[in-house]
Amino acid sequence: KQEVTQIPAALSVPEGENLVLNCSFTDSAIYNLQWFRQDPGKGLTSLLLIQSSQREQTSGRLNASLDKSSGRSTLYIAASQPGDSATYLCAVNLFIGNQFYFGTGTSLTVIP
Amino acid sequence: DAGVIQSPRHEVTEMGQEVTLRCKPISGHDYLFWYRQTMMRGLELLIYFNNNVPIDDSGMPEDRFSAKMPNASFSTLKIQPSEPRDSAVYFCASNQGGQPQHFGDGTRLSIL
Repeated sequence: KQEVTQIPAALSVPEGENLVLNCSFTDSAIYNLQWFRQDPGKGLTSLLLIQSSQREQTSGRLNASLDKSSGRSTLYIAASQPGDSATYLCAVNLFIGNQFYFGTGTSLTVIP
Repeated sequence: DAGVIQSPRHEVTEMGQEVTLRCKPISGHDYLFWYRQTMMRGLELLIYFNNNVPIDDSGMPEDRFSAKMPNASFSTLKIQPSEPRDSAVYFCASNQGGQPQHFGDGTRLSIL
C-alpha cells in the first residue's frame, strides 16, 4: 500500500521568505502527484499536478518538483505572503483509475 | 464551470437518524470520490466510482454507510443509523482519469 508522508507537520515563516514543503511516498511507480491547499473550514483547492513523465510544474510563485526514483516531491513557494497561510497536502495516484493517496499535510503560517 | 457541488453544507442531527449527503460532480468527469476528514485520522477515502460504477468501497467504515451514483451528475452518501463517531467533514471530489481532482466545499456533519 502506498504511504505518503509530509514533514514538517507545521511550519511558521516570516513574510517574504522562500520555503520548501516536502512530500515522500513509498511506491515510486506513480502515475501522477497532485498538490493541494486547504484553508480552514474549506475544501481542497488543486494547485499543481505533475505527471510521472515530468520533473516539475510551475504556477506563479509555486514550483513543484518530482523525483520518482527517490520517492519525493517538493513544493517551492517564492516570496511567501500571509495569504499563503493554509494547510498543504500532496496526493499520489498509482495509475489512471486508481485512488489518490493523501499525505497528512503541512500547516503553513506566514507571519506579516 | 460550477465546480463540485455538495449539499447540505452543514448537518446537525441526533444519533440514530438517517443522514443523506449529496454531490453533483463537474460535468464530463468520469470519476467521483467520497472522503471523510477528521482531526484524528486526516483525509480518508470512503468509496469511489468510475462511470457511475463503484470501484473500491473498502474505505466504507461499516454497513451503516452506503453510496450510490444513479447517473453521471449525482451521487449520495447515506448513513443509517448515524452515530456520534460519524461526526466529520465529508468531501466529494471528481476528475477525469489522470487529470487533477477537484473537491467540493464539504458537508460538516455533527451527530449529537
